[in-house]
Amino acid sequence: GENVEQHPSTLSVQEGDSAVIKCTYSDSASNYFPWYKQELGKGPQLIIDIRSNVGEKKDQRIAVTLNKTAKHFSLHITETQPEDSAVYFCAAMDSSYKLIFGSGTRLLVRP
Amino acid sequence: ETGVTQTPRHLVMGMTNKKSLKCEQHLGHNAMYWYKQSAKKPLELMFVYNFKEQTENNSVPSRFSPECPNSSHLFLHLHTLQPEDSALYLCASSQGSLSPREQYFGPGTRLTVT
Repeated sequence: GENVEQHPSTLSVQEGDSAVIKCTYSDSASNYFPWYKQELGKGPQLIIDIRSNVGEKKDQRIAVTLNKTAKHFSLHITETQPEDSAVYFCAAMDSSYKLIFGSGTRLLVRP
Repeated sequence: ETGVTQTPRHLVMGMTNKKSLKCEQHLGHNAMYWYKQSAKKPLELMFVYNFKEQTENNSVPSRFSPECPNSSHLFLHLHTLQPEDSALYLCASSQGSLSPREQYFGPGTRLTVT
């Protein structure tokens, strides 16, 4: 079945710097890759997603890239702000339409 | 707010208790999900309902019993739980479960089993 690996587990950046979180997946049939942000005491919030027919998608300061050949995808946050501090999860939808999640990255943006 | 609400937000129960978690979605979706989020583990899918029919039971112990009376409401009935069942239980919904669709999560119920 699908397996998703996420790195790093923690990431600390200075406000204004960029942050990059990387995920790899194992099932080449996976075709949908969402990213979620989870703040303390809240449920995961969908922030961006990408489907396998595109290589990159951008929404303001957030972008996601997908390399189907290498089976990896990444989240890029530019001009980070303290409110970006949270746990970020990647996920891949397997061939039975189940979301398989990575283990999460705790991002800390230092003011 | 994502349009998915969960009650209660916090629950403490003994191993012999019976309790229920409730989820309601206001998004007009027809698929609903229960996930378990434990410390230091990825989110684990427990159950999937599509148009009120259970389409996935991810090898969940029978002490967890889901119920989906309609496309907007989902319950998780709990009985004789173990301390290792303590976790954040998340409900999600999407427009169908048989295609790549966005899933929207509720805030979760923090469950502690004593």
